[in-house]
Amino acid sequence: QTVVTQEPSFSVSPGGTVTLTCGLSSGSVSTSDYPSWYRQTPGQAPRTLIYNTNTRSSGVPDRFSGSILGNKAALTITGAQADDESDYYCMLYMGSGISMFGGGTKLTVL
Amino acid sequence: EVVLVETGGSLIQPGGSLRLSCAASGFTVSSNYMGWVRQAPGKGLEWVSLIYIGGNTYYGDSVKGRFTISRDNSKNTAHLQMNSLRAEDTAVYYCARGKYCGSGCVYFDYWGQGALVTVSS
Repeated sequence: QTVVTQEPSFSVSPGGTVTLTCGLSSGSVSTSDYPSWYRQTPGQAPRTLIYNTNTRSSGVPDRFSGSILGNKAALTITGAQADDESDYYCMLYMGSGISMFGGGTKLTVL
Repeated sequence: EVVLVETGGSLIQPGGSLRLSCAASGFTVSSNYMGWVRQAPGKGLEWVSLIYIGGNTYYGDSVKGRFTISRDNSKNTAHLQMNSLRAEDTAVYYCARGKYCGSGCVYFDYWGQGALVTVSS
């Protein structure tokens, strides 16, 4: 069965830039998989950041951007801030009405 | 303002049934896609179920045949009926509004705060 893959953890310095990726255990990710990205802090509901690969959700600052890099979807955060420390999840459309989340990336800002 | 409020979470014995409700305000459930996503303790998000505007329903493999998504347009509410519950169904269940992204794809744009379901004897 296909699995959506993400880095388990990542760290970035305050003010730095970080790129998180979202891949498939078999095959490449493309815009036809309609990648979306969500962030979640402990005890809180997820918040939508990006949909359709690179469209920011309402109210999301332009420090967050989405793209396809090579064979993966990517979420880039520029000018990282302390409150960007969260879990980040990607979701890919698998077809036939079904989507799948990746395992999430725990981002540390230090 | 879009608000989603889940209710119905509780402690239930294995093999039991439970129905979660998601009361929506700020938009009309019947004109939107509605979904459920769950998160087991200390784990990541898991896509559970989705109902299209036209009424078609979809389920993740782990709940197919046991869970049923529905909506009550008169109450502007979505539901998740969960039968034959197992310990591994223990999770916070989030209700979310869906938006069409193309070719059958739906992403989630608004989320509720979640309802805890604990399956244990």
